[in-house]
Amino acid sequence: DIQMTQSPSSLSASVGDRVAITCRASQSISNSLNWYQQKPGKAPKLLIYAASSLQSGVPSRFSGSGSGTDFTLSISSLQPEDFGTYYCQQSYITPCTFGQGTKLEI
Amino acid sequence: EVELVESGGGLVQPGGSLRLSCAASGFTLSSYWMHWVRQAPGKGLVWVSRIDSAGSNIAYADSVKGRFSISRDNAKNTVYMQMNSLRVEDTAVYYCVRDVDTSMVGDYWGQGTLVTVSS
Repeated sequence: DIQMTQSPSSLSASVGDRVAITCRASQSISNSLNWYQQKPGKAPKLLIYAASSLQSGVPSRFSGSGSGTDFTLSISSLQPEDFGTYYCQQSYITPCTFGQGTKLEI
Repeated sequence: EVELVESGGGLVQPGGSLRLSCAASGFTLSSYWMHWVRQAPGKGLVWVSRIDSAGSNIAYADSVKGRFSISRDNAKNTVYMQMNSLRVEDTAVYYCVRDVDTSMVGDYWGQGTLVTVSS
């Protein structure tokens, strides 16, 4: 299985900050990388798919980049509602696998 | 509006069985692949199983292979997960997830149903 490693595991930032979360795959996955946000007690929400495509309805302050093995989720100007845990997921081969998560505190 | 509603979770003893259901509405279920993803308390997301739109192309995580069985009834707009020989480590919230376009990208998730395996 492809291993996905996120960093950092947790992050504290202030409103208005620019934040970056990285995700590394144990082998090349082309651009088959997706990002989800999860808030406590809620289901995950798709933010970014295919490494850099913004899901409909997601604010434009979220962006994704990368290909191959290294990927980044960026939030350009952090808002209070952006707290939660962020997961990357590779959809290159079955089984799809997730990173361990990055907990973002505002 | 797309909606996925899971049901069937609960407390079961090790070795027992449960059947989860995922009722879909707001879209044509027969056009989409569907997945089950689980999350143990305080832990991350783990993919469990996938079924294609016709129910003929199925895959499982190694951890549940031979014990879990995914199926669907497109006429009833429902996806199922039959879970047998349950183990303590199967304790988790189980999410039903719609696949965007057979790409394993989950664009809609249900609210989840909690399965607790304990004696």
